[in-house]
Amino acid sequence: GEDVEQSLFLSVREGDSSVINCTYTDSSSTYLYWYKQEPGAGLQLLTYIFSNMDMKQDQRLTVLLNKKDKHLSLRIADTQTGDSAIYFCAESITDSWGKLQFGAGTQVVVTP
Amino acid sequence: DAGVTQSPTHLIKTRGQHVTLRCSPISGHKSVSWYQQVLGQGPQFIFQYYEKEERGRGNFPDRFSARQFPNYSSELNVNALLLGDSALYLCASSPNRDSLNTEAFFGQGTRLTVV
Repeated sequence: GEDVEQSLFLSVREGDSSVINCTYTDSSSTYLYWYKQEPGAGLQLLTYIFSNMDMKQDQRLTVLLNKKDKHLSLRIADTQTGDSAIYFCAESITDSWGKLQFGAGTQVVVTP
Repeated sequence: DAGVTQSPTHLIKTRGQHVTLRCSPISGHKSVSWYQQVLGQGPQFIFQYYEKEERGRGNFPDRFSARQFPNYSSELNVNALLLGDSALYLCASSPNRDSLNTEAFFGQGTRLTVV
């Protein structure tokens, strides 16, 4: 199974906020990431947060990090139909060149 | 500028055959990583190459191998294909050691189907 855990599905109405949650395992991870994957496409890096930060905001995206609980969340404000995709949480593995540990992904469906 | 390009985009192979997947990183990027994404799962790390040397290897059998060329492009080879090797194979490139993941860009992937 995945060491990074995410809920599998989220349905949200257009214009509402979406919150995707993730728990990770490596307490010494340097960075944590959120990726987006649309059908038939590769992965798009949305945002990342350094482990010594609690929050990072980037336009409609807000990342919250709770290191004590190893919990990461991504909030998408004013969700649009183009935000429908699978969202992956990932952590960079300590002492491992370039290795990312991904969750199974959360499918977000935005309804009009 | 061209992004990360992978070829072929789709491939069908028979069990027991061998396959070679190719990846061209973004111009100037020296690092290439390979991931396997089975349907319904997140990507799993296979290999990471930096400056033509293997720097990381995931939990995959020896049937999987890779190399990076002087121009920083890369090949992933899989021998003795199994049905379970059917997946989307993703390549990611990044410019240097300090930004292996924070500036990683993924290609569109190669969809491999083993029958």
